[in-house]
Amino acid sequence: GENVEQHPSTLSVQEGDSAVIKCTYSDSASNYFPWYKQELGKGPQLIIDIRSNVGEKKDQRIAVTLNKTAKHFSLHITETQPEDSAVYFCAASIVWGGADGLTFGKGTHLIIQP
Amino acid sequence: GAVVSQHPSWVICKSGTSVKIECRSLDFQATTMFWYRQFPKQSLMLMATSNEGSKATYEQGVEKDKFLINHASLTLSTLTVTSAHPEDSSFYICSARDRQVGNQPQHFGDGTRLSIL
Repeated sequence: GENVEQHPSTLSVQEGDSAVIKCTYSDSASNYFPWYKQELGKGPQLIIDIRSNVGEKKDQRIAVTLNKTAKHFSLHITETQPEDSAVYFCAASIVWGGADGLTFGKGTHLIIQP
Repeated sequence: GAVVSQHPSWVICKSGTSVKIECRSLDFQATTMFWYRQFPKQSLMLMATSNEGSKATYEQGVEKDKFLINHASLTLSTLTVTSAHPEDSSFYICSARDRQVGNQPQHFGDGTRLSIL
């Protein structure tokens, strides 16, 4: 089955700086890659997703890049703010939208230092 | 839109009891819902896929007689943890997809924290 590796496990950045979280996946059949933000005691919230036929997608301060050949994808957050502090999970699925269930990475605890 | 509600948000019960968790899609219909389990400071692990009107599909290693899933309508799926024991204590999270809108992602509920004494 699919295996998703995520790094780093903890990331501390100064407010206003950029943060980058990286994930790799094992199943070349995967073609849908969402990123979720989870705050303490809450369920994950989708922040951005990308399909395998697209190399990059951007939504304001958040961007995701995908290298299908190398089987890795990254989340980029620019101009970080205190409210960006949370745990971020990458995930992968063979079916668009995760209709077959999602395989998650282990998560990255992002800490924004004021 | 695309709100998923779970109930209860938190439950504590004695070992050996059964606990039912509800997952509802509030403003859309979901043919498929998913149940995940998350241990403290760990990732979400898919337990099973809940299909409206048919049997759930369980992931390898998940006991179907232990974790009973019922998806009786297009807006409700339930997970019953039968004869719960302390090792079943975890954060259970459901998700759902809007069946009427193509290419929609999974939307998650806020989870149920289950503590077995």
